[in-house]
This record gives sequence, C-alpha cells and structure tokens, in this order.
Amino acid sequence: DTAVSQTPKYLVTQMGNDKSIKCEQNLGHDTMYWYKQDSKKFLKIMFSYNNKELIINETVPNRFSPKSPDKAHLNLHINSLELGDSAVYFCASSLPGRQGQETQYFGPGTRLLVL
Amino acid sequence: GENVEQHPSTLSVQEGDSAVIKCTYSDSASNYFPWYKQELGKGPQLIIDIRSNVGEKKDQRIAVTLNKTAKHFSLHITETQPEDSAVYFCAASIRSGTYKYIFGTGTRLKVLA
Repeated sequence: DTAVSQTPKYLVTQMGNDKSIKCEQNLGHDTMYWYKQDSKKFLKIMFSYNNKELIINETVPNRFSPKSPDKAHLNLHINSLELGDSAVYFCASSLPGRQGQETQYFGPGTRLLVL
Repeated sequence: GENVEQHPSTLSVQEGDSAVIKCTYSDSASNYFPWYKQELGKGPQLIIDIRSNVGEKKDQRIAVTLNKTAKHFSLHITETQPEDSAVYFCAASIRSGTYKYIFGTGTRLKVLA
C-alpha cells in the first residue's frame, strides 16, 4: 500500500544505453515530480506534471524525457546514458492546495549507476 | 537567485540533547517551508512544515521557527534519540513561473547513544 512507488529500485547499466524509470502514486494527487539527488545528497527538481501537463522543466538535457500517461503515473526515459547521470532519482506527488504550499510526498528512489 | 542555505552540514549530539538546524532563503515571496528526514536508502519523508503566516509550530519533540524578516527558519529536535539519526533537508517554496521547492544542502545528524 505504498503511496508513491518507483520501479526499478536499482538500475545498473552501460554508458550509451537507454533506460526508463516508472513512478505511480495512489494518493489521488494531481501533480507529480522528478528529482535528482547527486552523490553529495543535493536534491534538485527536474520536471513536474499537473494532470498530465508539463509545468516545470528545469535545465535538464533533452536526453531526459518525462511522460505522464495519466495523473497517477509519471515515467522518466533517459537516452544515451552518461556517467554523470549516476544518481538517485526520486518521484514525488502533491495535492493541489494553496499555491506554493502543497506538501510533496516522495517515493523510495531509483538508484541509477552508469558504468 | 534561487538559493536555500543550510547549516551545519553535519551535527553530532549526545542522546537526550537538543539539535538545531538552520536555513536561510533568498526569495522574500517564499511562503511554505517543509522539513524532510531522509534515512539511509529511503526517500525524504516530511516531518514538519510551516507556512509564512505562522512564526512557530510544534509537533511533540520537533519544532520549527520562522523569521520572515530575516528569511531564516530553523528545525529544533529535543530529547534526541538514536532513531533521529538521518539526513535532514529544509526546503522553501519559490515562484519561478509556477511554484517549486528549493532544497537546502542537507544536515547529517548523528545521535550518539
């Protein structure tokens, strides 16, 4: 009954490969996010979708492409993986609330290692 | 620019002592300040939050204070226990087109038994 779930939990792959990470939330939230946490634990937002519509797109290489088939799912596809893509990727979701004050709930993370 | 500074980066306290983590934000329009606890191998979990119309909020051993004038907010944990050991992140909600969180750089708290 995990609220925000991600698959896979671990992903080890070679440079140049293409991979996808999946996220699902069963909280009935409208907004979903992808964050990247680097080796120094720094958390930075990458993308956000609200009701399947892209609303935040930070300065992320276009090798990263999010896709939201419905408001409960947000997937992240990464093309031509590079060593610097190694990180932990977190999905999060939030209910609409007073603007700027929505609480975000995080998934358990996907640990990506590019060799 | 968009910035949240967090100090200290590491903090060791004896069990039963208090721990204080401080954050400073740059955007005066920020109106929501959550704190997250991240245990090893897990995702960040919300532990407490404060909105800009409130100066202090308490939940059992955890409290958060906000000084909007100085753009500071702090997390206070009293009577620390070994299970409080984790990385703690502050965040501030900023408006850049739409709203988003900017996270602090994290504080690794160790509670020594």
